Amino acid sequence: QLVLTQSPSASASLGASVKLTCTLSSGHSSYAIAWHQQQPEKGPRYLMKVNSDGSHSKGDGIPDRFSGSRSGAERYLTISSLQSEDEADYYCQTWDTGRVVFGGGTKLTVL
Amino acid sequence: EVQLVESGGGLVKPGGSLRLSCATSGFTFNTYTVNWVRQAPGKGLEWVSSISSGSSYIYYADSVQGRFTISRDNAKNSLYLQMDSLRAEDTAVYYCARVGSTSNADYFDYWGQGTLVTVSS
Repeated sequence: QLVLTQSPSASASLGASVKLTCTLSSGHSSYAIAWHQQQPEKGPRYLMKVNSDGSHSKGDGIPDRFSGSRSGAERYLTISSLQSEDEADYYCQTWDTGRVVFGGGTKLTVL
Repeated sequence: EVQLVESGGGLVKPGGSLRLSCATSGFTFNTYTVNWVRQAPGKGLEWVSSISSGSSYIYYADSVQGRFTISRDNAKNSLYLQMDSLRAEDTAVYYCARVGSTSNADYFDYWGQGTLVTVSS
């Protein structure tokens, strides 16, 4: 079964860096994923796609502070030089023929 | 500029019906797969349905299979979701989202702002 697992919450200080994790279920470690940001009271916004080889491609206007990587079945979103507007929910997404799966989301608090 | 704008949400009684629309602009609509995604109050994102560029491939989440119908009108650059036999658990903000390539399944690269559907007596 294709499942994405995310920690419910994370926090980091203004100006620091944070690394969010999205874990693919067993047997699906070669899948690409996408990261989406949802600020309070707004619709989701596409950040980037992270491929199985660790390469990533970002959406329009996404700052260089956002980067993606991988290790095995884990896919990462790293945000550096945290700003107050980075406080948001972050969702990972993957897909297969006939289905799309989202992780439960990570709520990021900027201290 | 790519835009997706949902409409048609509102308050409906359990067992009722509602039709959502998603008007798009800024891209060649008839070459992209598009999707509906929903978010219940205080909850995460849940994929609802997908329709390929030419409507040949249509998929639904198990939670809506048999009750919801996705469709598109490429001449009008619009996506639709007919929702029948609505339940309280269908209460959510409904988003349309574009697949970011010409593949039938891939990441979502643009989202609408959402339309709220409330199912309550």
